[in-house]
Amino acid sequence: QQPVQSPQAVILREGEDAVINCSSSKALYSVHWYRQKHGEAPVFLMILLKGGEQKGHEKISASFNEKKQQSSLYLTASQLSYSGTYFCGTGSGTYKYIFGTGTRLKVLA
Amino acid sequence: GAGVSQSPSNKVTEKGKDVELRCDPISGHTALYWYRQSLGQGLEFLIYFQGNSAPDKSGLPSDRFSAERTGGSVSTLTIQRTQQEDSAVYLCASSPRSGAAEAFFGQGTRLTVV
Repeated sequence: QQPVQSPQAVILREGEDAVINCSSSKALYSVHWYRQKHGEAPVFLMILLKGGEQKGHEKISASFNEKKQQSSLYLTASQLSYSGTYFCGTGSGTYKYIFGTGTRLKVLA
Repeated sequence: GAGVSQSPSNKVTEKGKDVELRCDPISGHTALYWYRQSLGQGLEFLIYFQGNSAPDKSGLPSDRFSAERTGGSVSTLTIQRTQQEDSAVYLCASSPRSGAAEAFFGQGTRLTVV
């Protein structure tokens, strides 16, 4: 039931782009993206509802394909502050947020 | 309060002892979630509250784990007869409503069972 994220880890140079994918075996109602820095609580980035919408947050955007039960997070022109572990959280029409396996991202200067 | 507050921030306990972890959600948030995060791992769903009711307790790992919420506010997660495998960070999150809404996380309680 846990969504699968890919890649598991990625290392970037400042200014490079990255894509993180989240795939679920269950029908999705919503997808949430969070970033967690080491030793800190997860912080909300964005939420996408079914309808295939794409949303943006500064240079971070995401898409949601409900038919494929997938979401992707796009990080453009990455900054050092983007380093952390990214989690997708999926909702299946109810209250339960099930979080994905996580993607560790490290941005190097 | 300004955010989700959890206490204690750190707890070291001996194997076999009971522990209580507290979560004080953002005022007015009706939805409250407990997650467990083992070292370097993802977020494992434990239980969800809507108001004082817990519609889904399926994530609780065993009957040693229980949780309650009173007054639609503070929640307590209790672990009885702690085991070493219970060692983890226990995170609480609250949301203004269930479903498609942002969840705000507390800083967590780091539990170490020795």
